[in-house]
Amino acid sequence: EVQLVESGGGLVQPGGSLRLSCAASGFTFSSYWMSWVRQAPGKGLEWVANIKQDGSEKYYVDSVKGRFTISRDNAKNSLYLQMNSLRAEDTAVYYCARASSPEGYFDYWGQGTLVTVSS
Amino acid sequence: SYELTQPPSVSVSPGQTARITCSGDALPKQYAYWYQQKPGQAPVLVIYKDSERPSGIPERFSGSSSGTTVTLTISGVQAEDEADYYCQSADSSGTVVFGGGTKLTVL
Repeated sequence: EVQLVESGGGLVQPGGSLRLSCAASGFTFSSYWMSWVRQAPGKGLEWVANIKQDGSEKYYVDSVKGRFTISRDNAKNSLYLQMNSLRAEDTAVYYCARASSPEGYFDYWGQGTLVTVSS
Repeated sequence: SYELTQPPSVSVSPGQTARITCSGDALPKQYAYWYQQKPGQAPVLVIYKDSERPSGIPERFSGSSSGTTVTLTISGVQAEDEADYYCQSADSSGTVVFGGGTKLTVL
């Protein structure tokens, strides 16, 4: 059974940093593109970033470029999102998702982890 | 920036057919995907590559495409289908984009 379990969310002050993790199991993690998708409270879904199987390609939504870094450790079956210079508008539930391709669909999602940026 | 446009809400009675549209200029060249999201839960993929249905998704869910508009159709709507539905595709450069979402209300 495919499982994606996020962790690392919490309350952080504006300008602060946070690192999200996603533990994957039930599939060959190193064979898939992986992504982060977020959802602000009461709002819609927004793709944040994705990363190629070997980590050699990474793509970001414009609003997080230069502040967020996606990475992965295939030996640990884990995906990460390092978030720096956080802003109030980054407040959201962050989902880890398995991607079919860099521009394709997300067939499995984690349960999400809430990030709140507030003073 | 590229946008996918969905109606904010759609309402249907049980047993009727619900149709949710998603419009975008790049849709003739890019596949569309659909997700169902119930309150407090993660999204679930219900349609991929415009009209393909993942295993485990009921047959009443179907997808179609015509020009710059894709449509999610739910035939014989049930109370459990009440949820938010999102379309997803990519712009001409391959950047992932989601529609704004449609709240389906089962009357």
